[in-house]
Amino acid sequence: AQKVTQAQTEISVVEKEDVTLDCVYETRDTTYYLFWYKQPPSGELVFLIRRNSFDEQNEISGRYSWNFQKSTSSFNFTITASQVVDSAVYFCALKYNFNKFYFGSGTKLNVKP
Amino acid sequence: KAGVTQTPRYLIKTRGQQVTLSCSPISGHRSVSWYQQTPGQGLQFLFEYFSETQRNKGNFPGRFSGRQFSNSRSEMNVSTLELGDSALYLCASSPKGDYQETQYFGPGTRLLVL
Repeated sequence: AQKVTQAQTEISVVEKEDVTLDCVYETRDTTYYLFWYKQPPSGELVFLIRRNSFDEQNEISGRYSWNFQKSTSSFNFTITASQVVDSAVYFCALKYNFNKFYFGSGTKLNVKP
Repeated sequence: KAGVTQTPRYLIKTRGQQVTLSCSPISGHRSVSWYQQTPGQGLQFLFEYFSETQRNKGNFPGRFSGRQFSNSRSEMNVSTLELGDSALYLCASSPKGDYQETQYFGPGTRLLVL
């Protein structure tokens, strides 16, 4: 069965702290894609990153970085020097075979000034 | 390019009524998917349309239906509304609907059933 687990329901940090959001996935398929989306209070899901199962290189984009480890089935997301604007719910998602997302339950990030 | 648009943004209905939600994909995108988001169940896949045909369907009752037009715009309909249908309904589009593609989401329609 396909499954995505985001064990952290809610995280609170103070501005400028680094924070890591965990994502663990399950799939028997060898070819799959992992995604992270951000959902601000407005509701729209904003695409952050896509990673395929054959590319284990870590990715850095500004203050955002992602660590993909197939050995532990994890695709963790780190925000460096967090800002209040980073406050949102973050979703990790998996796709394989079909154009259908398996979403995690989301992690709500609160960044306090 | 304009993003995915959804109308209306907010809706209030009463039990037993029906509702139609609309989604316009990014220009050139032919695949439209619909998701329901509730606090209890999270984000759940409803269905996907590509070239006016439903390709995938989630585990929802037949009260939930959809269609896609030749210009790729999509509508979803919920008949005989129940209180539990209160949710944020999100649609997403992608060029060809391949699972490798990134899907881009609209702002959603917030439906409240009283």
